[in-house]
Amino acid sequence: DIQMTQSPSSLSASVGDRVTITCRASQGISNFLAWYQQKPGKVPQLLIYDASTLQSGVPSRFSGSGSGTDFTLTISSLQPEDVATYYCQKYNSGTFGQGTKVEIK
Amino acid sequence: EVQLVQSGAEVKKPGESLRISCKGSGYSFTSYWISWVRQMPGKGLEWMGKIDPSDSYTSNSPSFQGHVTISTDKSFSIAYLQWSSLKASDTAMYYCARHRSGIPFMPFDFWGQGTLVTVSS
Repeated sequence: DIQMTQSPSSLSASVGDRVTITCRASQGISNFLAWYQQKPGKVPQLLIYDASTLQSGVPSRFSGSGSGTDFTLTISSLQPEDVATYYCQKYNSGTFGQGTKVEIK
Repeated sequence: EVQLVQSGAEVKKPGESLRISCKGSGYSFTSYWISWVRQMPGKGLEWMGKIDPSDSYTSNSPSFQGHVTISTDKSFSIAYLQWSSLKASDTAMYYCARHRSGIPFMPFDFWGQGTLVTVSS
């Protein structure tokens, strides 16, 4: 089974900071990689799929990159409404990463 | 408007059976796979399995194989997640989610609101 490992597990950053979250696959997964945002007490929402394609309606400060085994989610300018846990997913098998909790400093 | 509406919260005892539901509307229900996702209290997302509503073909995560059953009633645009014998460790929020297009290997673009299942003696 291919494992998905996110880092860091949590981070605290200031409003306006650039934030980067990493997701690493234990084997190559091409670009079958999605990112989700789950705000506290809310339903997960799709942010990015195919590693770098922004889902409709998602703010442009979110971006994704990578292919093969290493992927990143970047928030170019952190906003208070971005406080959430972010999950990567290898969607050809459904496997999620363990999540990265983002807080405001 | 695409919507997935799940059944309400459940409180059950260990050993009891349960079926929760997810009703799709606003799209062609049989054209998109549905997955189920578990989230235990304070924990992350776990993919459980998926179903093709057009023919009820299912594929489960090995972690959940044999413990849950996924099915659909396409006449009513409903997907189900079922347990025959609940355990306390099944206590969790369960989400249904629609695959982004009509093939199985797609991310999830619409999610149900979640069904909280509590199993306690």
